[in-house]
Amino acid sequence: DIQLTQSPSSLSASVGDRITITCQASQDIYKSLNWYQQKPGKAPNLLIYDASILQTGVPSRFSGGGSGTNFSLTISRLQPTDFATYYCQQFDVVPITFGQGTRLDIK
Amino acid sequence: EVQLVESGGGLVEPGGSLRLSCAASGFDFGTHWMHWVRQVPGKGLVWVARIKTDGSKRNHADFAEGRFTISRDNAHSTLYLQLSGLRVDDTGVYFCAREYAHGDLDSWGQGALVTVSS
Repeated sequence: DIQLTQSPSSLSASVGDRITITCQASQDIYKSLNWYQQKPGKAPNLLIYDASILQTGVPSRFSGGGSGTNFSLTISRLQPTDFATYYCQQFDVVPITFGQGTRLDIK
Repeated sequence: EVQLVESGGGLVEPGGSLRLSCAASGFDFGTHWMHWVRQVPGKGLVWVARIKTDGSKRNHADFAEGRFTISRDNAHSTLYLQLSGLRVDDTGVYFCAREYAHGDLDSWGQGALVTVSS
């Protein structure tokens, strides 16, 4: 199985900050990586697919990058609605796997 | 508007069975792969299974193989997950999700809570 390791596991930041979350895959997954945001008690919401393509309706302050084994999710100018948990997910190989999540809290 | 609505969750004893349903609407159900993902409250997301558009191909996570079965009824736009041999560590919220193109789960249900306890 492909392991996805997110870093950091938790992060405190302020409104207006720029933050980056990384996701490292245990083997080459090309660009087969998606990012999701999840708020407490809610289903996940797709933010980025194919490593860097912004899902329709997602604000442009979200961006994704990387390929192979190293990926990143950047949020520029944090807004109050961005404080949530973020997951990466690979779909290159079954079983599909998720990272362990990064919890983003307000400082 | 795309909608996915799960049902069938509940309390079941270890070793018991349950069938989850996911009613889909607002899109052409038969043209999308569908998935189940579960989450223990307060923990991360774990992929459970997926099924091809026409039901001809399905994959299950190792922990689900032989105990859980994903299926679909395209005539009624409904996805299913049959759970059997349930264990305490199968407790969690089970989400159904639509795969839009390749691997991207763009629409999710609200989740169905399954509690396995004696």
